[in-house]
This record gives sequence, C-alpha cells and structure tokens, in this order.
Amino acid sequence: DQQVKQNSPSLSVQEGRISILNCDYTNSMFDYFLWYKKYPAEGPTFLISISSIKDKNEDGRFTVFLNKSAKHLSLHIVPSQPGDSAVYFCAARGDGGTGRRALTFGSGTRLQVQP
Amino acid sequence: DGGITQSPKYLFRKEGQNVTLSCEQNLNHDAMYWYRQDPGQGLRLIYYSQIVNDFQKGDIAEGYSVSREKKESFPLTVTSAQKNPTAFYLCASSIDRGGSDTQYFGPGTRLTVL
Repeated sequence: DQQVKQNSPSLSVQEGRISILNCDYTNSMFDYFLWYKKYPAEGPTFLISISSIKDKNEDGRFTVFLNKSAKHLSLHIVPSQPGDSAVYFCAARGDGGTGRRALTFGSGTRLQVQP
Repeated sequence: DGGITQSPKYLFRKEGQNVTLSCEQNLNHDAMYWYRQDPGQGLRLIYYSQIVNDFQKGDIAEGYSVSREKKESFPLTVTSAQKNPTAFYLCASSIDRGGSDTQYFGPGTRLTVL
C-alpha cells in the first residue's frame, strides 16, 4: 500500500520554463513534507520542505504547494535549468502516534530539462 | 566539515555471506536511519534509531540487523537471510527534536551479491 505516490515517472521541460512535479498521499497523519533531488549512485539532497500547517513555502527558484484537503503537494521550479535534471523524490513524515519519525518516500519523478 | 559518510561506495559479496555497511555522522544528530533503494522505486525504511542503544524496525527489516552503540555510528549488517540483498543502501540522520526535522543523507553504498 503506497502511502506516498508520484504518478509521473518522468517529465521533460525546456530550459527557462516551469517544471511542476506532483505528489499525492493517503495518510492524513503526515505532518511534514519534503522534496529531495537525487543523482544516480548518490544520496538524495534535501531541497525544500513544508509543514502541514502551511500551504506554500518558497526558496529561490523552488516553491512547494500543499493542498491538505486534496492530500496533494507539488514542487514548482522556475525557471528550469539543465542542472535541475535529476530524480525528484517526495517524502512525508507522520508517526500517527507511534513515535516513528522516519520518512515515507514516493517512487520518484525523473526530470529532464532540455537546453 | 560536517556530514555523513558511508563506506565503501561499492561492495561485492558472495551469496550466503554476511556483510556490514558503515555509516558515520559528525553532525551531532540524535536519529539515524537506513533505507534501501531498488531500481525504479523509492526509498524503503529498513531500521531507524532515535537515540543511542535503541533502534526500531522499519518496513523491510527482515534479513537485516543494526547496532547503535555510539551516537555517531549506525552500522547495518545484511545477513544471509536477506533474500534479495543486491541494492543501493542509504544512511541518513536528523536532529529529531520535533518540529521541522529534515533528514540528511550519505552518499550510499551499492551492494552486489554474486
């Protein structure tokens, strides 16, 4: 049972345009959401996060939007650059009262930014 | 220069042998985690530890064991009981003091069982 889903395995955009990566979740106990960027054979790099009490968080070219009623979050990258080409993982944290603070990850979306 | 180190980067073992993957952090983080990544999949939690001398099973703990004798170290042993051990293994750590709690990852170890 996938609690965090990234339904688009890949996305291709032109340099300078907006990239929108989507993520859906099913567990209403999740209280914190993160996006990570990952290159092959390397560890994920933290990009941006958002608490469940907010609906938007912005950091430079990266903005994360959270729609709690729809259990949906998205990552916007504007403008997209070739160096943004990587796999992006959505992750969620919520212990449901168990004390577990580990993350649940989506399956990732491979972004390719064309020069 | 703070960070998380994993060694080795690549590891080859014969089927039936136990192997231990190293993870060290000098970030003074309380919590440490082990994840596994398979091709085309997200990261799946193997074990995690929120404090020294304590650890909890994750979603796919069978065939793995860990120890947390020091705050800085969280080694993972892949035992012969693990049916499909070939994968990319990632270690992470976090402050784990509530609120915004970002996990930071090491570079990973690719284990191949021959």
